[in-house]
Formats: sequence, C-alpha cells, structure tokens
Amino acid sequence: QLLLQESGPGLVKPLETLSLTCTVSGGSIRSDSFYWGWLRQSPGKGLEWIGSIYSSGASYSNPSLKSRLIMSVDTSKSQFSLRLTSVTAADTAVYYCARRGRVDSYNWDSWGQGTQVLVSS
Amino acid sequence: DIVLTQSPGTLSLSPGDRATLSCRASQSVRSSHLAWYQQKPGQAPRLLMYTASSRATGIPDRFSGSGSGTDFTLTISRLEPEDYAVYFCQQYSSSPAIFTFGPGTKVDMK
Repeated sequence: QLLLQESGPGLVKPLETLSLTCTVSGGSIRSDSFYWGWLRQSPGKGLEWIGSIYSSGASYSNPSLKSRLIMSVDTSKSQFSLRLTSVTAADTAVYYCARRGRVDSYNWDSWGQGTQVLVSS
Repeated sequence: DIVLTQSPGTLSLSPGDRATLSCRASQSVRSSHLAWYQQKPGQAPRLLMYTASSRATGIPDRFSGSGSGTDFTLTISRLEPEDYAVYFCQQYSSSPAIFTFGPGTKVDMK
C-alpha cells in the first residue's frame, strides 16, 4: 500500500523559506508511471495545486507560485521536497503531498495526511 | 484560468436520500480532466471519480458522475452515514498547465 508522509516545521517566520519533504513508501518514487506533487488547503483559498515533479527532476508549477517555488526529488531516499521562499501569512495552510498518474491521468489518487504550516512571527 | 463553482454550498439530507452536487466551469473542461474528491474532517481529500464518470478504486457504486463541457454532476444515490463530508471537483487545463479545485459542497445530516 502506497504511503506518503509530509514532514517539516509547523511554524515559519514571515519572509523566510518554508521547506517540506514527502517520504514515499510502499511504492517506487522512481517509477516512470507517476508524477509527485504538492497541494495545500486554507480556509481562505481552498484547495490549491502548488506543483508537480517527476522522478527525473523535471517539474512544473502553479504560475502564481512559480517565482517562489523550488522542488526537488531524491530517489535514493524515496523523497521529494518543496521550498517556498519569502512566505507570508497567505501561505499558512495544510500542505499535502500526493501522487498522480503520468499518462492520461489528471487527478490525485493518493495523498499524504497533510501537515499544518503556520506563517507567523 | 478556469474557475470552478460548486452548488449548493451545503446540502442537508437524511440517510437514504439522493444527493445531487453540481460543479460548473467558467470555460469548457474536457471530461477526461474532471475529478471529484471526498474530504472528511481532519483527513486528506480522497479521490472518488476521475474522467468525470469513472469510480476510483474501492468507491461504492452508489456514487456516480456525469456531465460534459461546463456542467458536471456528482450523484450519491442513497446516502450512507459515512458519506457525510465535503465534496470537491477538480479540473486540469493544459494552457497554462494547472489544476484547479472548486470551493466544495458540504453534505450534512438533516
């Protein structure tokens, strides 16, 4: 059974960088059948797709976040990561990592449990 | 960007009732790019339907999806106690490449 688990600090100061890691178990992050992604949910913005990354490191992201977003993948650790720079209170949300199929698949079929991130001084 | 609108915001129904949830897009969405999710308090969203009308693995057949273009519907034929939750629709568009979600419909007990 595929499991995704987010980890990272729950509190980030304004203008600093938010860093999160997703650890994948029960399946191979190296599989060429899937994309891995980040999504977030807040009361103000609802559910929002942040970005997606492939095992090769190729990625694409929400245009609204692209200038502040860095994503990476470490297949040796079965992990992929997110770094969001210059955060503000608007980045306060529950952050989820998730998986989607690579070919003819436009939905997120497995999700982590989510991790709450608060941006506050 | 394509904006998704869901109605009603809240649906108050009794167990055994039929639930009809609407998702409307600001522009035409390919059916293959439309999905529905269920979310319960404190949990991550769970994929229910993909390609507008295909049930995800393990989803009971009381859930069905339909629609095309700008209007899509999720129907729960007979509500079970475990179906009380928030339901989101989601679409993918390729130009620019982006996933967007609707604001959700909450199904609560009458």
